[in-house]
Amino acid sequence: AQSVTQPDIHITVSEGASLELRCNYSYGATPYLFWYVQSPGQGLQLLLKYFSGDTLVQGIKGFEAEFKRSQSSFNLRKPSVHWSDAAEYFCAVGADSNYQLIWGAGTKLIIKP
Amino acid sequence: EAGVAQSPRYKIIEKRQSVAFWCNPISGHATLYWYQQILGQGPKLLIQFQNNGVVDDSQLPKDRFSAERLKGVDSTLKIQPAKLEDSAVYLCASSSGSAYNEQFFGPGTRLTVL
Repeated sequence: AQSVTQPDIHITVSEGASLELRCNYSYGATPYLFWYVQSPGQGLQLLLKYFSGDTLVQGIKGFEAEFKRSQSSFNLRKPSVHWSDAAEYFCAVGADSNYQLIWGAGTKLIIKP
Repeated sequence: EAGVAQSPRYKIIEKRQSVAFWCNPISGHATLYWYQQILGQGPKLLIQFQNNGVVDDSQLPKDRFSAERLKGVDSTLKIQPAKLEDSAVYLCASSSGSAYNEQFFGPGTRLTVL
C-alpha cells in the first residue's frame, strides 16, 4: 500500500534563508505526487504536483520540488523564504483507487525574523 | 469564483451529543470529499462522493457517522453520538472530474468534544 513520510514535524528557518522540506513515499509504480500548504485559518492549497516528465516541477509562490525515483523522494524547496510562508506543508501521493490521496503528517514551517 | 464553503467554523459539544457539518463545494465540481484531520496528522478521507453517489466510504465509522449529498451539490456530515476521539478538524474538498484534479479545500470545522 502507498504511504508518505514527512520526517520533520517542524522546521525553523530564518527569513530570507533557503528551505527544503522532505517527503518520502512508498509506491511500486510511478507515483502521482503533490504538495499542499495549510496556512493558519485557511484551507489547504495546492502548491505543485508531479505526474510525469520533467522531474523538477515549479509551483506557486516560488516553490519547486524534485522527484527522485532512486530515493523515493519528492522534496519541496524555496530559495528564499518570507514570513508569509509560515504554515504547515503536506506531501501526498495518489492512491491506486478513485484518484484519492494518501497524506503525510505534515511539516510545520516556522520563520525566524 | 467562490471557494468551498463550510459551516460552522467551530463547534464545541459534549460526548454523546450529535453534531452536523455543512459543505457547499465550488459550483460545477462533481467530486466532494470529507476528511478528518486530527491534530498533528494529515487529512484522513472519510467519504468521497461523485455527484450524489458514494464512491468510497470505507473509512467512515458508520455506527456514528453519516453523510449525504442528496442533490449532488452541497453535503452534510453528521456525528451521532460523538466521542472524545472525534475531536478534530473536519475538512471538505471538491474537485472537477474524476482524475487527479486539484482538490479545493474549505476552511474546515474545528470540533471539540468534551
